[in-house]
Amino acid sequence: ETGVTQTPRHLVMGMTNKKSLKCEQHLGHNAMYWYKQSAKKPLELMFVYNFKEQTENNSVPSRFSPECPNSSHLFLHLHTLQPEDSALYLCASSQGGGQPQHFGDGTRLSIL
Amino acid sequence: AQRVTQPEKLLSVFKGAPVELKCNYSYSGSPELFWYVQYSRQRLQLLLRHISRESIKGFTADLNKGETSFHLKKPFAQEEDSAMYYCALRTDSSYKLIFGSGTRLLVRP
Repeated sequence: ETGVTQTPRHLVMGMTNKKSLKCEQHLGHNAMYWYKQSAKKPLELMFVYNFKEQTENNSVPSRFSPECPNSSHLFLHLHTLQPEDSALYLCASSQGGGQPQHFGDGTRLSIL
Repeated sequence: AQRVTQPEKLLSVFKGAPVELKCNYSYSGSPELFWYVQYSRQRLQLLLRHISRESIKGFTADLNKGETSFHLKKPFAQEEDSAMYYCALRTDSSYKLIFGSGTRLLVRP
């Protein structure tokens, strides 16, 4: 399916592991986003990239490290995560800041 | 602080009944409001935005700045409307969307 694709769909990792989440969009958008969706909490914006430049970091701990090599790809590098980081991580893209965001299916992350 | 409140976690109605999903926001500037929907086993998607002033799938929402509300309404609910609905706020010149905690709508036959 075209649109926003996230891999992997599920990830289980230990607290000392290092892993990366990947997001790819085929919509020609210039802005990409990472969100965290925890149980019983609203969707929380983590990072925003516009034309590969980070424009928003919503006070995210440094154990989450985003990377945006081009406007179509976005990564979230994870290291030494905590159990409370277990959540659904959603990627989205948009054509500019005021335009609707298109979401991926998310990566379900579980920290052991 | 900017905030979006959806007071109902679950709203259950019968098919054909009117539906109103409540959304209130807290923001002193000029807001832009959205409703996103997530059907079972599907991804989150835009339902409508206030600046479009259009009806999507029979749903409408009017921005009331006096009451700081953006309630989602449909006169006759259908079973296929059952889903999770999220209200979101975008503030001036920002890429940031602030989401409410969502309301699950269940339309019974």
